[in-house]
Amino acid sequence: EVQLVESGGGLVEPGRSLRLSCTTSGFTFDDYAMSWLRQAPGKGLEWVGFIRSKTYGGTLQYAASVEGRFAISREDSKSIAYLQMNSLKTEDTAVYFCARMTHNWFDAWGQGTLVTVSS
Amino acid sequence: SYVLTQPPSVSVAPGKTARITCGGSHIVTRTVHWYQQKAGQAPVLVIDYDSVRPSGIPERISGSTSGNTATLTISRVEAGDEADYYCQVWDSSSAHVVFGGGTKLTVL
Repeated sequence: EVQLVESGGGLVEPGRSLRLSCTTSGFTFDDYAMSWLRQAPGKGLEWVGFIRSKTYGGTLQYAASVEGRFAISREDSKSIAYLQMNSLKTEDTAVYFCARMTHNWFDAWGQGTLVTVSS
Repeated sequence: SYVLTQPPSVSVAPGKTARITCGGSHIVTRTVHWYQQKAGQAPVLVIDYDSVRPSGIPERISGSTSGNTATLTISRVEAGDEADYYCQVWDSSSAHVVFGGGTKLTVL
């Protein structure tokens, strides 16, 4: 069974940093691009960014709203993807989901972890 | 950047057919994917590649595209279909993923 579990969310002050983890199982992690998405309270889905598999160079893409502040990485030996979030703003408050990418869509999602940015 | 437009809400009686639209410039030239998100849950892929149902998705759910509109059709609607539905495409010009704003399906 494919499983993705996010962790690392919580309450953080504006300007601080937080790192989220996405621990996966049930599939060959190395073969897939991994993505992070978020959903602000009462709002729609927003794509944050993704990291391609090493086969495709491990290249990265980010949404304009997080470019330069957020960084995605992956540790294939542990089947974990990370989202490093720096210089957090109140508008970054959201549930953060990780998702497995097949071609250019998301065929498996974690349950999400809540990040609240507030003083 | 590419924009996808969905109606905020659609209401339908049980047993009837719900159609949720997703508008975008020449969307027929792109591949559209659809997600269902029930309250308090993670999204679930219900249609990929315009009209392909992943394993476990009922045949009552189908997708199509024409011109500037993609449509998710849910036949014989049930109470359990009540959810938010999102369309999504890949914008190759920006190498970004794009979502529509979402449509809340209410079963009357």
